[in-house]
Amino acid sequence: DTGVSQDPRHKITKRGQNVTFRCDPISEHNRLYWYRQTLGQGPEFLTYFQNEAQLEKSRLLSDRFSAERPKGSFSTLEIQRTEQGDSAMYLCASSSPAQNTEAFFGQGTRLTVV
Amino acid sequence: AQSVAQPEDQVNVAEGNPLTVKCTYSVSGNPYLFWYVQYPNRGLQFLLKYITGDNLVKGSYGFEAEFNKSQTSFHLKKPSALVSDSALYFCAVSLTRQLTFGSGTQLTVLP
Repeated sequence: DTGVSQDPRHKITKRGQNVTFRCDPISEHNRLYWYRQTLGQGPEFLTYFQNEAQLEKSRLLSDRFSAERPKGSFSTLEIQRTEQGDSAMYLCASSSPAQNTEAFFGQGTRLTVV
Repeated sequence: AQSVAQPEDQVNVAEGNPLTVKCTYSVSGNPYLFWYVQYPNRGLQFLLKYITGDNLVKGSYGFEAEFNKSQTSFHLKKPSALVSDSALYFCAVSLTRQLTFGSGTQLTVLP
C-alpha cells in the first residue's frame, strides 16, 4: 500500500508530557499538510510543507507545537507540555506537485491527554 | 477569509432513493471545491473536485456534485443511495494550498 502512513494510530499521554507523531507521505508527493480534527468538527489546517520548507502555519499552531520535514520526505509533529485541549485526531495529508490536485489523507493519530 | 457551511448535521435517506448533501461556501476569488468522505476509524477519502469548466462534476462511487456560482453552492448528489454510502461527508474549499472544511454531514442510508 502506497498511501499516507501515520504513526502511532493512538496515543494516550499525561498532561504536561511531550508527544511526537510521524507522517510518511505518498512517495512522489512533495507537499505535506497537517490538520487537526476534534469531535463533531471538520479538520482544521495546521501547517503545510513544500519539500522541506514550511510555507504556511495556522494561528492554531501555538508555540508548543512544532513540525519538521527535514529531508523533504517524512514529517514529524511535536506537541510540548500537552494540555487536555490538545486531545484530537491529528491528520496528515500529501499531494503531488501538479496543479489543482487533491490531497490524500492518512488514517490519523488519535491523541488523548489525561 | 474562506468558509464552508454544511447546514445539515444529519441526512437520512432510504436505500435506492436519490440523496443530496448540501454545501455552501464563502470565498473571495475563484475557489477549488472538494468533497471527502470519512468512514469510522478511517482517514478522509477524496470523492470529487471542482476546479473549472463543467459545473457538473462526477466522482467516485457514483457521486456527483453541481457547482453553482450564483448560489455559492456545491451540493453532493447520488441518484440511488446504497447502505454502504452511510458515512460522514465533508465539503472543503481551497484558494491556495490549505483546505477549509465544513463541519460535516452524517449520511445514513436506511435499508
